[in-house]
Amino acid sequence: DQQVKQNSPSLSVQEGRISILNCDYTNSMFDYFLWYKKYPAEGPTFLISISSIKDKNEDGRFTVFLNKSAKHLSLHIVPSQPGDSAVYFCAASEYSFNKFYFGSGTKLNVKP
Amino acid sequence: DAGITQSPRHKVTETGTPVTLRCHQTENHRYMYWYRQDPGHGLRLIHYSYGVKDTDKGEVSDGYSVSRSKTEDFLLTLESATSSQTSVYFCAISAGGGSPLHFGNGTRLTVT
Repeated sequence: DQQVKQNSPSLSVQEGRISILNCDYTNSMFDYFLWYKKYPAEGPTFLISISSIKDKNEDGRFTVFLNKSAKHLSLHIVPSQPGDSAVYFCAASEYSFNKFYFGSGTKLNVKP
Repeated sequence: DAGITQSPRHKVTETGTPVTLRCHQTENHRYMYWYRQDPGHGLRLIHYSYGVKDTDKGEVSDGYSVSRSKTEDFLLTLESATSSQTSVYFCAISAGGGSPLHFGNGTRLTVT
């Protein structure tokens, strides 16, 4: 059974608006969470991460929020740009094991 | 770009033949991983390595074996390829200790 889930296979957003991508996990031992972006025919690239001691981490237009009690994290992209159109994966691990589990991905389409 | 090279980039093989995919890194990172990406499943961990000759199974390890005889090389072997192993395979590396994964550009394997 998947330990990390992304329940929205796709999301369409207008340029300049906010994109919110969601991710849920089931393993309460996970304490390190990451988001990756993937373009076709390329490997995933690291975007942003958060550890379980925080509930928010910001990097430019990207912010990740963590709700440990709900076992939920989200990625906010503000403002969205057409170049953000890609598949986004969330991932989780137990810090001490360095074993990373990924969700199934959400395809984001930012319309000009 | 993290120094990760996957070879070959594309391969077509027949059912029942052995196949070996190679991942080479120049970052001297301790951890190396093999994932497969399939539609609807995202990225699933096949095997990973936490040091030379130290490996462990992931979520979908059946039908795959790995070897790591040097820090820089991590090999994935399909002993007898099946059509269900048609996929895109990604190698990833990590320095550990809360560092993110960095991915190669993938190997597209087709088993006919």
